[in-house]
Amino acid sequence: NAGVTQTPKFRVLKTGQSMTLLCAQDMNHEYMYWYRQDPGMGLRLIHYSVGEGTTAKGEVPDGYNVSRLKKQNFLLGLESAAPSQTSVYFCASSYHLGQYNEQFFGPGTRLTVL
Amino acid sequence: GNSVTQMEGPVTLSEEAFLTINCTYTATGYPSLFWYVQYPGEGLQLLLKATKADDKGSNKGFEATYRKETTSFHLEKGSVQVSDSAVYFCALFYNQGGKLIFGQGTELSVKP
Repeated sequence: NAGVTQTPKFRVLKTGQSMTLLCAQDMNHEYMYWYRQDPGMGLRLIHYSVGEGTTAKGEVPDGYNVSRLKKQNFLLGLESAAPSQTSVYFCASSYHLGQYNEQFFGPGTRLTVL
Repeated sequence: GNSVTQMEGPVTLSEEAFLTINCTYTATGYPSLFWYVQYPGEGLQLLLKATKADDKGSNKGFEATYRKETTSFHLEKGSVQVSDSAVYFCALFYNQGGKLIFGQGTELSVKP
């Protein structure tokens, strides 16, 4: 099993450009998450999904959109990138939301917006 | 609201030293508590967890005890190795919100 994979690993954008980050998991997990990691701030939840076709806002959703058309994929879109979106983005997935929840993380995408 | 506070880093230790990374939390109800570790250039991995008061989570020589009376979940290891150099995140999960809340992370550097 590959676990959770993310594409691309690195990307540099200019302000105003758009892009999509792809997350894929092969563990048949129902729940998927997008986080951003910034220095001194830990991980903050952007959006999440509790199943195919469903999405919900997390802590910092502004400027991002997501889609979960297939159970194994969770896409994060930036419609008009801003320098404030320079960050490392992590995707995660989990089997369920219970108290024994363990989230499995991808390797991250480092995004720089100039 | 629910939150997690960790001791600030970076923490620099010599090999075989004793490690403590403090973590305290604020939460309603009875959250589950986790420590995740992030090695350089990688994503986060679950290190250990505890789901109720007085539970002790342990893995790879690391331990943490869920202390409800002090709302703490401090991470300890008796003898660190160079390979333990990483960023450590304390996190809580509460059922009502259905989400993980992370602390800011503590960077550990172990020197030979």
